[in-house]
Amino acid sequence: DGGITQSPKYLFRKEGQNVTLSCEQNLNHDAMYWYRQDPGQGLRLIYYSQIVNDFQKGDIAEGYSVSREKKESFPLTVTSAQKNPTAFYLCATRYGGGPPGELFFGEGSRLTVL
Amino acid sequence: AQKVTQAQTEISVVEKEDVTLDCVYETRDTTYYLFWYKQPPSGELVFLIRRNSFDEQNEISGRYSWNFQKSTSSFNFTITASQVVDSAVYFCALSEALNYGGSQGNLIFGKGTKLSVKP
Repeated sequence: DGGITQSPKYLFRKEGQNVTLSCEQNLNHDAMYWYRQDPGQGLRLIYYSQIVNDFQKGDIAEGYSVSREKKESFPLTVTSAQKNPTAFYLCATRYGGGPPGELFFGEGSRLTVL
Repeated sequence: AQKVTQAQTEISVVEKEDVTLDCVYETRDTTYYLFWYKQPPSGELVFLIRRNSFDEQNEISGRYSWNFQKSTSSFNFTITASQVVDSAVYFCALSEALNYGGSQGNLIFGKGTKLSVKP
């Protein structure tokens, strides 16, 4: 099936630990995005990547890191420097050509820091 | 600067009622795109509609309709004869068309409106 796969769906982490969230897509989309969602806050952009081996910081990149070594994959690492990491994380993709098209979203990963 | 405001945090209606979700936006661009997404309890956002700034025609899709008014910078979403399955969080989003510092196509989301439809 075509789509976006995020894993794990639920993740618990102790304070001070880094954790990596996976996002894989087989839609052949060029652009990939990571958003963070907190209750009542909407979606805020963490990082995005328009092409392989290139990525840009979004509005709330501090405490996060990403890589884009393959077109299909855009993993997000939540580092111990992120002060409030408990949140719902959404990965999205977009076809790169033409006017801004709709984003396609994965089912999300819910991270809880204990 | 771009901004999307969804003033209604939560709305509760009874099934079969009509409901309108408000969206007001701000942008410096003359060419831009507006979107609505639905987020059911499962968490995955689902695309509903995209509208560009040059097309002010209202759109209807089944029980859904959208009213775009540039004069008031609004892009409101109406659900007619609501159903329990419409219960979700709805997000309005804005994207500018021009490439500002490599951010072409990035969406700015409102904070969402949680709609509860009771049987």
